[in-house]
Amino acid sequence: SAVISQKPSRDICQRGTSLTIQCQVDSQVTMMFWYRQQPGQSLTLIATANQGSEATYESGFVIDKFPISRPNLTFSTLTVSNMSPEDSSIYLCSVTGQGETYYTFGSGTRLTVV
Amino acid sequence: GIQVEQSPPDLILQEGANSTLRCNFSDSVNNLQWFHQNPWGQLINLFYIPSGTKQNGRLSATTVATERYSLLYISSSQTTDSGVYFCAVVNTGTASKLTFGTGTRLQVTL
Repeated sequence: SAVISQKPSRDICQRGTSLTIQCQVDSQVTMMFWYRQQPGQSLTLIATANQGSEATYESGFVIDKFPISRPNLTFSTLTVSNMSPEDSSIYLCSVTGQGETYYTFGSGTRLTVV
Repeated sequence: GIQVEQSPPDLILQEGANSTLRCNFSDSVNNLQWFHQNPWGQLINLFYIPSGTKQNGRLSATTVATERYSLLYISSSQTTDSGVYFCAVVNTGTASKLTFGTGTRLQVTL
């Protein structure tokens, strides 16, 4: 299965600022996803990162707040824009390959907004 | 969208005990995964099990897709089994998107 490097691992940010999270995969993968895990909660899908085109967002998530790029089959970024304390969460990228038997997750970015 | 409920929400075991975790889902699925999230937040894939039974060491899982549930068995639990267990499903026709269950938080004590 793929190995994911996600950066940064944690950050403390001021409200009103933006943070960009990077997800680098060691092999080409078909699908890449971004999830949010609020404190003590389950994971919620933010969007599917599409290579070379706009991401597909889930209900309740918008591009202006969570812009996503995926310039190639091994790399994606998620930006959390104009942050507020409610954005304090763990953000995780995930990939799956052909056949979609296994989903691999990055180690997560623990974001605290003050 | 599909609903995925897990039970129990919390579980405390003494080391060496056995346990069964349940995952119920509300619609047909073509993919079901069990994950363990360790205390440091890392998600580890335990099983890909859209149907049938699989075993891996002290862990085993069974999915009965026609009845829309899956079970995860942990035998002879160890303190390293502590963390949160999630099942996650792909609803048939939803393009590989995993929907996560509510989770079971397990604490194994000495």
